[in-house]
Amino acid sequence: QVHLVQSGAEVKKPGSSVKVSCKSSGGTFSSYAFSWVRQAPGQGLEWMGRIIPIFGTINYAQKFQDRLTFTADESTSTLYLALSSLTSEDTAVYYCARRINLTPEYYFDLWGQGTLVTVSS
Amino acid sequence: DIQMTQSPSSVSASVGDRVTITCRASQVISGWLAWYQQKPGKAPELLIYAASSLQSGVPSRFSGSGSGTDFTLTISSLQPEDFATYYCQQANSFPLTFGGGTKVDIK
Repeated sequence: QVHLVQSGAEVKKPGSSVKVSCKSSGGTFSSYAFSWVRQAPGQGLEWMGRIIPIFGTINYAQKFQDRLTFTADESTSTLYLALSSLTSEDTAVYYCARRINLTPEYYFDLWGQGTLVTVSS
Repeated sequence: DIQMTQSPSSVSASVGDRVTITCRASQVISGWLAWYQQKPGKAPELLIYAASSLQSGVPSRFSGSGSGTDFTLTISSLQPEDFATYYCQQANSFPLTFGGGTKVDIK
């Protein structure tokens, strides 16, 4: 059974950067598309962008365009999210999510367990 | 960006009740809509995709309908494990956007 396993919680200072990993265990990694979605405490879900490792295709939501970087290491089946210039508004649980392979549209059938990033001075 | 509006924001219901949640898109999204269930401290789980297709392993008491701008998630007979928050998500165009959520709690 395939799982997405994310790195552990992080506490960061304002203005710093964070890098979160998401490792796919089992299954085929490169043939899937993935997104990152975040959720601030007590709030709803916010899509951050998508990455298709096999094609190197990356798109970011406009609000994160200048400070967000997605990468993928196909040799270890691991995705990475890097977010810079952190503020308290970036405090959230960050999820990686895999797009369902049944349709070309972006529905997410497999999620990581989430990584809490806390930004505090 | 496409705005997704869910209603109600919360609903109190009893086991066995029929529960209906609606989601309205700010523009036409054809049938490109998903519904997720999220329990506290857990990642969302896909229930319905393409407006009405039941994800594998999801109980048949969950159903989805709608097209264009108006969509509905129905739980035909609420079970104890269904108390959770439900989100809709449009898959018509980037940026993908989610509704604000509907919390289903015990009456």
